[in-house]
Amino acid sequence: GQQLNQSPQSMFIQEGEDVSMNCTSSSIFNTWLWYKQDPGEGPVLLIALYKAGELTSNGRLTAQFGITRKDSFLNISASIPSDVGIYFCAGQTIENSGGSNYKLTFGKGTLLTVNP
Amino acid sequence: DAGITQSPRHKVTETGTPVTLRCHQTENHRYMYWYRQDPGHGLRLIHYSYGVKDTDKGEVSDGYSVSRSKTEDFLLTLESATSSQTSVYFCAIRVGWNTEAFFGQGTRLTVV
Repeated sequence: GQQLNQSPQSMFIQEGEDVSMNCTSSSIFNTWLWYKQDPGEGPVLLIALYKAGELTSNGRLTAQFGITRKDSFLNISASIPSDVGIYFCAGQTIENSGGSNYKLTFGKGTLLTVNP
Repeated sequence: DAGITQSPRHKVTETGTPVTLRCHQTENHRYMYWYRQDPGHGLRLIHYSYGVKDTDKGEVSDGYSVSRSKTEDFLLTLESATSSQTSVYFCAIRVGWNTEAFFGQGTRLTVV
């Protein structure tokens, strides 16, 4: 099946620093999504990318859909303590098996710790 | 939260007993999903539904069954729970025609 390699697995940074994480795959995806998960909660969508080469920002977050459609990165600028959590990338394909299924494949997550 | 409610939020059950988890949505979305989340594995798809009575298997479907008799409810059943099914289970719905999936708050299931 499809697999996503997300790196790094964890990061320990100081408040105010910038953060970068990425996902790569041997498979092509037609959409990339980035989620954040806080302890005890479900993942929350941060950014969605729909076209190869697309660069999208959401406040201090910036994400890009790789030109090859096999990778994506997420940058967080000027980190703050509430950025702590697990960040997941997800790549999407569309399969047709009885009905169109928008299938998401998730990376294993990047655990971000921000020291005040 | 896109109107998703998972119940129960926490459950402890014994090996061999049946367990049903419920996902309820209030916004009439067509696509619903069940994932499990385990350390080192991220989120893995168990089953999904693309309409009432229309379901299909995901990558880790063994030991699980689902049912969707109404648009708003998607049930996940463990016919005979095993310790390997101890996990956090998330329901997700797809909003709109394209891609965004929104997740519920999760159900923490412990099989002892």
